[in-house]
Amino acid sequence: SYELTQPPSVSVSPGQTARITCSGDALAKQYGYWYQQKPGQAPVMVIYRDRERSSGIPERFSGSSSGTTVTLTISGVQAEDEADYFCQSADTSTTYSVVFGGGTKLTVL
Amino acid sequence: QVQLRQWGAGLLKPSETLSLTCGVYGGSFGGYYWSLIRQPPGKGLEWIGEIYHNGRTNYNPSLKSRATMSIDMSKNQFSLRLSSVTAADTAVYYCARGGGKSVERFDYWGPGTLVTVSS
Repeated sequence: SYELTQPPSVSVSPGQTARITCSGDALAKQYGYWYQQKPGQAPVMVIYRDRERSSGIPERFSGSSSGTTVTLTISGVQAEDEADYFCQSADTSTTYSVVFGGGTKLTVL
Repeated sequence: QVQLRQWGAGLLKPSETLSLTCGVYGGSFGGYYWSLIRQPPGKGLEWIGEIYHNGRTNYNPSLKSRATMSIDMSKNQFSLRLSSVTAADTAVYYCARGGGKSVERFDYWGPGTLVTVSS
């Protein structure tokens, strides 16, 4: 089965650019999706199909893809962006199954 | 606006069966895959399985032997039964709406239900 690998943590100062990567073989064939989760809340989808921004998500959030890696970029990070971010894709090689990355804690210094 | 509400027992003993039901309010119920996803305390997300309006299911291979999902189109509800639970099944369980195709994105989520397994 496929795995998705994310860095456990990323730290940036307000106004800087945060980049969170997600790598895995599944991403070569399937789209990547990104979710933001704040403490005590359900996840919220911020990016779908590698680079499409969900409705209501600020323009500072963007996504990109290259080979087996997708990247979530937050330009001009704000304090409210501090959260856990999870990537997601799918394994359709043998059985149809959803795969999540381990999550990245974004800290705004 | 689509809303998901969920309910089920919050405290189970080892070997019991977890039962969780999700209700969908607003929007279309048919034409989407509906999923259950869980998150152990302080850990990441784990997909449990999905069900389509025609009853077709897909499960996480690691849980397939214990998980059963069902759907009630007349009530716009879907459910999960997870048998033989252990402490490792302690988690917040989320209902979520998938896409029109299997194993796609999740654009609407329920608030989550904490299920604790303890003797």
